[in-house]
This record gives sequence, C-alpha cells and structure tokens, in this order.
Amino acid sequence: AQSVTQPDIHITVSEGASLELRCNYSYGATPYLFWYVQSPGQGLQLLLKYFSGDTLVQGIKGFEAEFKRSQSSFNLRKPSVHWSDAAEYFCAVGAWNFNKFYFGSGTKLNVKP
Amino acid sequence: EAGVTQFPSHSVIEKGQTVTLRCDPISGHDNLYWYRRVMGKEIKFLLHFVKESKQDESGMPNNRFLAERTGGTYSTLKVQPAELEDSGVYFCASSKGGSSNSPLHFGNGTRLTVT
Repeated sequence: AQSVTQPDIHITVSEGASLELRCNYSYGATPYLFWYVQSPGQGLQLLLKYFSGDTLVQGIKGFEAEFKRSQSSFNLRKPSVHWSDAAEYFCAVGAWNFNKFYFGSGTKLNVKP
Repeated sequence: EAGVTQFPSHSVIEKGQTVTLRCDPISGHDNLYWYRRVMGKEIKFLLHFVKESKQDESGMPNNRFLAERTGGTYSTLKVQPAELEDSGVYFCASSKGGSSNSPLHFGNGTRLTVT
C-alpha cells in the first residue's frame, strides 16, 4: 500500500542553523515525490519535486531534497534556516498519472531567534 | 492569476446539520481535487474531477459526502448529516492536467468543526 511517513511531528531549530526533515515512502512503482509547505492561514505551496534524473533536486526558498531509492527516503534540507521558514511541511508521493497524491502527516517547524 | 479559492474559511456546525463547502479552481484548470486533513493526521485524498466528471471518488468516506462540479467550473462538497469525525480541514486543489508539468495548486482550506 502507498504511504508516506514523516517521523518528526515537531522540530525546533535556531535561526541560521541547518535543517533536515525526514520523509520515507512506500510505493509500488516509480515514485514521484514532492515537498509542500503550509504557512499559517495559507494553502499548500509546492517547494520541490522529483520525477527522475539527478537525485538531488533544488526547490524554491533555498530548499533541496535528496532521493535515496535504497532507503525509500526523500529528505528535505536547508543549509541556513530563516525565521520565515516556520511552517508545516508535507512530503507526498504521487501516482503515475499525477491524479492522486499520498501525503505524510506533516512536520511543524519552529524557528528560534 | 487568481489562485484556488475556498469558502468558507471556517465553519462550525452541530452534529446532524448540513454544511456545503465551495471551491473555485484556477480558471482553465480541468482537474479539481478534494483532500481532507483530520486531527493533525495526514492529508487524505477524497476525490478527483475532470471537468464535471468524477474520475476517482475512492477516498470519499461514506455516502454522507456528496461532491458536485456542475458545468466543470466550481465544485461543492456537501456533508449531510455531519458527524463529529467529519471535523478537519478540507482542501481543494486544481491543475491543468495529470502530468508532471501540471502541479497541484491548493486553496487555503476550509476548517470544519462539528460539535
């Protein structure tokens, strides 16, 4: 069965520190992987996506993610966190036709000044 | 371009009442999706429209939920009668088509509270 696991419910980092949010997926075919961010009162915004090719993908706002097939992981990283990055982050895997997405339960990021 | 618009942003109703959520997709987007997030859990797929046709409604919880998209424009999701476990945030999303070049655009969601 398709599923996405985000093991960290809450994470707190200091501003300027590096960040890694974990995501593991279970999917029976070639995964199409996504990271979305939801700021308070806003909808989900696409940060980045992986379909094929280079396993390190760059996204908006200085985020990147690395696809590791052997570990079924797609972790999100940022070298230096800004206070405006405080939000909830969702990892998702998409069906082959991009018509259904399976989301994780989200990771809330808190940024300390 | 205007984004996906959902109305209302919040709704508080009593158990047994009826609520209708509305979603206006981005103009020109044939694909419209409803998702739901309950109690801080994962965001779950409810259903998918292509224009006015339901392509996949495998995620609809039960027959108390009815989604429509008359004319292939805006969509409504009606819950009748509402139960406590229906509380959550209902997201609508739209896209041009089911391909890697057609990302989902999400609305801000409707927070439904059933008391």
